[in-house]
Amino acid sequence: NAGVTQTPKFQVLKTGQSMTLQCAQDMNHEYMSWYRQDPGMGLRLIHYSVGAGITDQGEVPNGYNVSRSTTEDFPLRLLSAAPSQTSVYFCASSYQQGSSYEQYFGPGTRLTVT
Amino acid sequence: GQQLNQSPQSMFIQEGEDVSMNCTSSSIFNTWLWYKQDPGEGPVLLIALYKAGELTSNGRLTAQFGITRKDSFLNISASIPSDVGIYFCAGSHQGAQKLVFGQGTRLTINP
Repeated sequence: NAGVTQTPKFQVLKTGQSMTLQCAQDMNHEYMSWYRQDPGMGLRLIHYSVGAGITDQGEVPNGYNVSRSTTEDFPLRLLSAAPSQTSVYFCASSYQQGSSYEQYFGPGTRLTVT
Repeated sequence: GQQLNQSPQSMFIQEGEDVSMNCTSSSIFNTWLWYKQDPGEGPVLLIALYKAGELTSNGRLTAQFGITRKDSFLNISASIPSDVGIYFCAGSHQGAQKLVFGQGTRLTINP
C-alpha cells in the first residue's frame, strides 16, 4: 500500500490564484481530513469527511473548500489564495470504527502565497 | 482554538538521557494519541491510548492516559539521535470524530 499520498509536494502561488491540493489513500479508510501546520501552532483541522459525499468544517475552514466524491480521494481547494494561507498542509485518513482516531498522515504540501 | 497544552515546548538533552513530556487539557478526552514528526515529513503515530489509567509501551517509548482523562504523558528512555523531532499529543472527545493537537515538543539531542 502507498498509504496517504499528497501532490504537489511544493507550490508557490500569487495572491488571488486558485489551486487544488490532492490527497489520496489506498487503505479503504472512511475518515479523511485536512490540517494546516504553522510554526508554534501544532496542527489545526480545516475540513474532514466521514465518508464519500459527507464533509464538515473543522477549526479553520475559511478560504478552503472540499468534496468527497470517492472513498479514496479528498481534494482541498483554495479559491483565492491569500498570504495567510502560506503553510504546510497535511492530509490524514483513518478507519471509521474502532481505531478511528489513529490517523495516518501524508507527507505534506508546502504552500507559499506571495 | 487549541485545547491542549503541551510541555515543554522544547528540550535539549544528551544522548542516553531519559525524556518526559506531557499534555494537559481543561476538558475530558476519551482518546489520547502521541505522534512524532521528522523534518519535512508528516506525523507518524507512536502510541494510542483509549482507557483512563492505561499505560502503553512501544519499544523505548511509554505513554500513559491520565486518570482524570485531562492529561497524558510520554516518556522516552535512553534517548538516541534518531529520537530527534517534534512530538505531538492529540486528543479526541467522545463522539467528536476529530482530533485536537497540542503545539508540539521539539526534542534536540546532543551526541
